[in-house]
Amino acid sequence: AQKVTQTQTSISVMEKTTVTMDCVYETQDSSYFLFWYKQTASGEIVFLIRQDSYKKENATVGHYSLNFQKPKSSIGLIITATQIEDSAVYFCAMRVNYNQGKLIFGQGTKLSIKP
Amino acid sequence: GPKVLQIPSHQIIDMGQMVTLNCDPVSNHLYFYWYKQILGQQMEFLVNFYNGKVMEKSKLFKDQFSVERPDGSYFTLKIQPTALEDSAVYFCASSLGVSNSDYTFGSGTRLLVI
Repeated sequence: AQKVTQTQTSISVMEKTTVTMDCVYETQDSSYFLFWYKQTASGEIVFLIRQDSYKKENATVGHYSLNFQKPKSSIGLIITATQIEDSAVYFCAMRVNYNQGKLIFGQGTKLSIKP
Repeated sequence: GPKVLQIPSHQIIDMGQMVTLNCDPVSNHLYFYWYKQILGQQMEFLVNFYNGKVMEKSKLFKDQFSVERPDGSYFTLKIQPTALEDSAVYFCASSLGVSNSDYTFGSGTRLLVI
């Protein structure tokens, strides 16, 4: 069975600080892809960053980076120098290599950035 | 960047009626998807579609649901008849390929069945 779990329901941090959001996944497959998406207040879903399971280096895009710990089936999202506009719900998702592109989402973590 | 357009953005419909949700995917994308999100919850996969056929569907994709993309026009999700539990936001997405291709999501259609 495949599953993605985000246990943090909500996080609140001060602007310009660093925040980490947790995500663990379950899959029997050796090849898979992990994604983080952001859902804004308007409902728009924005792709942020992705980690391919065969890559050892943690992905980094702008002020987003990943903490990929494969032995722990964990893919944390780190946001540095947070800004007010980073306030959103963040979803972790997984796609396995064979499954026709289906994404399995976690429950989401609501991030609030305080000025 | 390229966008997926969903029409309408909101729809209110009486229980038992038919509704069609429309999606205009990214022009060169080949794979199309529908996801359902109940308020405050995660998105859940409904169905994916490629080359005119359903490739995979979930348990949420009830017999009352159908998808098609006639002649390369809109990719549609039809619900007939609708039920109260169909109230949700429905997101369309498209991708060029599978596995290592990134998705593009639409902004969603908020469906309220009353």
